[in-house]
Amino acid sequence: DAKTTQPPSMDCAEGRAANLPCNHSTISGNEYVYWYRQIHSQGPQYIIHGLKNNETNEMASLIITEDRKSSTLILPHATLRDTAVYYCIAVAGGGADGLTFGKGTHLIIQP
Amino acid sequence: NAGVTQTPKFRILKIGQSMTLQCTQDMNHNYMYWYRQDPGMGLKLIYYSVGAGITDKGEVPNGYNVSRSTTEDFPLRLELAAPSQTSVYFCASSLLMTGERDIQYFGAGTRLSVL
Repeated sequence: DAKTTQPPSMDCAEGRAANLPCNHSTISGNEYVYWYRQIHSQGPQYIIHGLKNNETNEMASLIITEDRKSSTLILPHATLRDTAVYYCIAVAGGGADGLTFGKGTHLIIQP
Repeated sequence: NAGVTQTPKFRILKIGQSMTLQCTQDMNHNYMYWYRQDPGMGLKLIYYSVGAGITDKGEVPNGYNVSRSTTEDFPLRLELAAPSQTSVYFCASSLLMTGERDIQYFGAGTRLSVL
């Protein structure tokens, strides 16, 4: 799996869009970008994933650069409940051997 | 649906004691996983299973054993507890689809202290 790099922490004002960057410059063609988050020591929660195209669901949007070397997770209207550690993971499709979690980005939503 | 259920939520062990962390899922997922998370760190894979009767080691399997006799259950066994096994343990499951790794669903975790 490709190594990902994320800033250790970020702040965002409540109600604003939170943009979380992730660098995955060594990603290979069959690797997807997945985002999970972990709220205060709860189990991680899936947010969104993508391969090449931008993706949107009810929780967030994922923007992947054309060269696929980086991506941005966007929480459009951050709330206090979005305070969590966010993990960006690059992983090949079709495998079953678990996910590699780094230290992630601790996102703090300020009131 | 309950999803992935882990018991117990908390446990304190003495060095050398044994215990089993229970994990059960009601989503009929074929894949199940055990991770551990040390303070301030990401999750590390201990063991995983692709179906009943099939298990394989992850990144940090030493000191642990697993079994998978049913689709629903994937218990993690600690035989001789050591302080280095103090951690939070998460169980997860997924329904793998061809060509794309499926979403993993996590339990609430078991917080284990070995003293």
